[in-house]
Amino acid sequence: AQSVTQPDIHITVSEGASLELRCNYSYGATPYLFWYVQSPGQGLQLLLKYFSGDTLVQGIKGFEAEFKRSQSSFNLRKPSVHWSDAAEYFCAVRKGNFGNEKLTFGTGTRLTIIP
Amino acid sequence: DTEVTQTPKHLVMGMTNKKSLKCEQHMGHRAMYWYKQKAKKPPELMFVYSYEKLSINESVPSRFSPECPNSSLLNLHLHALQPEDSALYLCASSLGQGDYQPQHFGDGTRLSIL
Repeated sequence: AQSVTQPDIHITVSEGASLELRCNYSYGATPYLFWYVQSPGQGLQLLLKYFSGDTLVQGIKGFEAEFKRSQSSFNLRKPSVHWSDAAEYFCAVRKGNFGNEKLTFGTGTRLTIIP
Repeated sequence: DTEVTQTPKHLVMGMTNKKSLKCEQHMGHRAMYWYKQKAKKPPELMFVYSYEKLSINESVPSRFSPECPNSSLLNLHLHALQPEDSALYLCASSLGQGDYQPQHFGDGTRLSIL
């Protein structure tokens, strides 16, 4: 069965420092992978997606992610975090096609930014 | 700004009440979804509608009744809910044309059952 693992429950980073959030997936075929961010009291905002092609994908807000098939990973990175990046981050894998599509989310990583 | 609009933002109801959650999108998306999210947990899929027809029901109790009157509107009718149903209910939509379309989420309705 497909699954997504986010090993880090909580990460604290200083403002201006670099960030890497880990995501490992388990899926037989080429996965469709996503990173979403959720600020307190709000819904999920799509940061970026990977379907195929270039393994380094660029997203919104200066985020990028790299798909590594050999490591079954899709880690999210940002070179310099801002206080507004504090939020919950979810990695997700999609199974099925249109009409029968299911997103399976990881347990999330809570990001805290310190001055 | 989200393009999937959910109303109300907050809802408090008793266990004997009947209420409905509403979700609208005007992006021409043909698939719509309901998710339930408990505090400090990831969203869990409840229902999927494709071209206004229910395609997935993740064994959700019958006290939750979805409805898709048209391609832009998705409702979730609630009746005789339990305290454990208190959660954030998220609606999402996707274009449905081809394989490369992500789901777009609304801001959710925070539901509290007394």
